[in-house]
Amino acid sequence: EVQLVESGGGLVQPGGSLKLSCAASGYTFSGADMHWVRQASGKGLEWVGRIRSKSNSYATTYAASVKGRFTISRDDSKKMAYLQMNSLKTEDTAVYYCTRERVEPAPIGLYYYIDVWGKGTTVTVSS
Amino acid sequence: SVLTQPPSASGTPGQRVTISCSGSSSNIGSNYVNWYQQLPGTAPKLRIYSNNQRPSGVPDRFSGSKSGTSASLAISGLQSEDEADYYCAAWDDSLNGWVFGGGTKLTVL
Repeated sequence: EVQLVESGGGLVQPGGSLKLSCAASGYTFSGADMHWVRQASGKGLEWVGRIRSKSNSYATTYAASVKGRFTISRDDSKKMAYLQMNSLKTEDTAVYYCTRERVEPAPIGLYYYIDVWGKGTTVTVSS
Repeated sequence: SVLTQPPSASGTPGQRVTISCSGSSSNIGSNYVNWYQQLPGTAPKLRIYSNNQRPSGVPDRFSGSKSGTSASLAISGLQSEDEADYYCAAWDDSLNGWVFGGGTKLTVL
């Protein structure tokens, strides 16, 4: 069974830092791009960023709202992905989901979609 | 949100409901659309990918379509367990990231 389990959430003061972890199992972790998506209470989903696989040089991209403050990394040997969050703001308060992007052949080109989500970990930024 | 969805939709058991999702040329207009169902207090689940493909285990009551810069999710034979929030998503070539709709709360009356 494909599974993603997040950990590391908690309460942090504005300006502080927190590192989230995501443990993957049940599939070839090294071959998949990983994304983080967050959801503030009662709000919609917001994409945070992505780290690509080794075959794509572990390239990262981020949402404008977190660029320069958040860093995504991965350790393929441990089947882990990470989200390092610095200079946290109250508006970063949310449930953070670790997700997997799946790629499969299509009649023309490729299908790309996020297919697996973890249960999420809650980050609260408050004084 | 970059993608626009109606905030709410409703139907009675057995009815067919549709949820719309509007975007632009940089997202829906040039990429596939995926749909997610989120039950209260749980993580989203994939219901439709690549405009109209159903993952294994998703009932054929769920279907999707896309035309130009808009997409739709249809649920036929509505059941009480379909009551949830539904989100559309697409890759945005300008933002170089996934964009989501604001979500539609589906109520089964």
